Amino acid sequence: GQSLEQPSEVTAVEGAIVQINCTYQTSGFYGLSWYQQHDGGAPTFLSYNGLDGLEETGRFSSFLSRSDSYGYLLLQELQMKDSASYFCAVISGYSTLTFGKGTMLLVSP
Amino acid sequence: SQTIHQWPATLVQPVGSPLSLECTVEGTSNPNLYWYRQAAGRGLQLLFYSVGIGQISSEVPQNLSASRPQDRQFILSSKKLLLSDSGFYLCAWSPRQGEKLFFGSGTQLSVL
Repeated sequence: GQSLEQPSEVTAVEGAIVQINCTYQTSGFYGLSWYQQHDGGAPTFLSYNGLDGLEETGRFSSFLSRSDSYGYLLLQELQMKDSASYFCAVISGYSTLTFGKGTMLLVSP
Repeated sequence: SQTIHQWPATLVQPVGSPLSLECTVEGTSNPNLYWYRQAAGRGLQLLFYSVGIGQISSEVPQNLSASRPQDRQFILSSKKLLLSDSGFYLCAWSPRQGEKLFFGSGTQLSVL
């Protein structure tokens, strides 16, 4: 089976940089994705890593190390609207995604 | 462009009643389709996924079932709801490779 570990909560202030880590154990690994979910809403896709290294999309970047079964999401120039839950998800066989339990990010003024 | 529709947004049902949640996708063909459930403050649990019409894979054995009668239609059902079925139900689709999931707006189900 698959298992993912990520911190339950992270706090930061506006303008700061925050890193959310994710470690995983899985078979048939294809890639790691990140999703953002605001309270009461549906998850939205942020980033995908299929290969080792850093992927950058605006203020968000995601990193993957397949040999370490580890990835992280980096959020820069934090804004209040970034307060949300962030989920890492492992893509395995048959294109199924297994999600971590989520990290709640609280951004304060 | 592709869109996904999921309804209803909220549902309150008594224990033992049936359930039918519907999800449709527009603007794409032959998508992978998924049903997830999210308990309050928790992660997303994969319930069912489908790679084609009539092809359903179940991840968690329970009193729920899913059907895909048409290419872009995915239905989640139950004959008799349990209290533990309460939660936020999310339908999603992805292209074949599954790198990116697109979620519907979700259904908040309360079983009383």
